Amino acid sequence: AQSVTQLDSQVPVFEEAPVELRCNYSSSVSVYLFWYVQYPNQGLQLLLKYLSGSTLVKGINGFEAEFNKSQTSFHLRKPSVHISDTAEYFCAVSEVNAGNMLTFGGGTRLMVKP
Amino acid sequence: GAVVSQHPSWVICKSGTSVKIECRSLDFQATTMFWYRQFPKQSLMLMATSNEGSKATYEQGVEKDKFLINHASLTLSTLTVTSAHPEDSSFYICSARAGGVGELFFGEGSRLTVL
Repeated sequence: AQSVTQLDSQVPVFEEAPVELRCNYSSSVSVYLFWYVQYPNQGLQLLLKYLSGSTLVKGINGFEAEFNKSQTSFHLRKPSVHISDTAEYFCAVSEVNAGNMLTFGGGTRLMVKP
Repeated sequence: GAVVSQHPSWVICKSGTSVKIECRSLDFQATTMFWYRQFPKQSLMLMATSNEGSKATYEQGVEKDKFLINHASLTLSTLTVTSAHPEDSSFYICSARAGGVGELFFGEGSRLTVL
């Protein structure tokens, strides 16, 4: 079975500063990796996903993530954050051939301050 | 992207009553839908996998008689919380597979408060 660890439960950052949200996973088989964003009282929106190919994945809203197989990581980055990026971010993993069944990390609350 | 809609978005009910939450795929057919539960400031926990035309597959620890799931059509899955109690209060979210790898779309969520 796979597991996902998001090391930081909260990340405060000033507006226009860069940010990195960390995600590490554990699995005995190949996986697909995802980052989702959740705004208060809303569902999840897909930011980006890694299925195969280039390890650097670009998503919406200026976010990108890099898959590092040797470190089993999939950290999310943005070079300059906005107030509107304040939200909860979830890293998720799905084992290949598992039918899109996702396992989520505990979430990281990004708090962007003016 | 594809759209998944949940209804109601917010529901308050008395203890002992049953509540039904609907999850619809608006512009695609979903043979598989997933139901999650989210407690405040916590992650999503998969409750069950709903397959059109067959019985749902429940995760360990989830009471199938308490959380009834019906996936009667390719665009609708329902979650019924039977004999609800205050501890069932939570945010329930559904997702649906649109076909491709990783193509999983989420509903807006339904917040249940049991008094």
